[in-house]
Amino acid sequence: QQQVKQSPQSLIVQKGGISIINCAYENTAFDYFPWYQQFPGKGPALLIAIRPDVSEKKEGRFTISFNKSAKQFSLHIMDSQPGDSATYFCAASIRGGSYIPTFGRGTSLIVHP
Amino acid sequence: NAGVTQTPKFQVLKTGQSMTLQCAQDMNHNSMYWYRQDPGMGLRLIYYSASEGTTDKGEVPNGYNVSRLNKREFSLRLESAAPSQTSVYFCASRPYQGFAETQYFGPGTRLLVL
Repeated sequence: QQQVKQSPQSLIVQKGGISIINCAYENTAFDYFPWYQQFPGKGPALLIAIRPDVSEKKEGRFTISFNKSAKQFSLHIMDSQPGDSATYFCAASIRGGSYIPTFGRGTSLIVHP
Repeated sequence: NAGVTQTPKFQVLKTGQSMTLQCAQDMNHNSMYWYRQDPGMGLRLIYYSASEGTTDKGEVPNGYNVSRLNKREFSLRLESAAPSQTSVYFCASRPYQGFAETQYFGPGTRLLVL
């Protein structure tokens, strides 16, 4: 059973556009929601993360929006750049303990110049 | 500070051969993880080690074994490789149990089993 559903699987946007990737989760015990960015041939790296006590977190051009009642969260990339072309993974986890995050299946983002 | 390192970077095996993927971290992290990444499947946890001396199965442990050699090193062994194990393998580490949530990933090992 897939606990974190990510969409779309792939996304193509023009330079300067807004990229939006969505994730939905089922386990209401999840209390930490990170996004990872992975460039071709590299390992994933933490991009931005949010906890459910806030509805939005912004870091530069990257924003996470969180809707606890809908059990959904999304990544918005404003003014998308070709250098943002990568695969993005959402994840959800329960803080503390053994910390085993559940990952979405990933979104391949291509930003055309 | 090299972070998380993995060897080898790329390997080709024949069905039935065995090999060990090596992972080391120099950040004094307690927890270490092995994932496999397949197209469209995201990151799936194979095994993890919450702390030195402990290992536990993840989502897809069949066909793999692990050893937490010391705090720095966590190896993944394929005893009898199968074509279904063709994948990219990532090792990750995390500072300590508790509320430090960030995982740090290595560059990956690309494995092809013929």
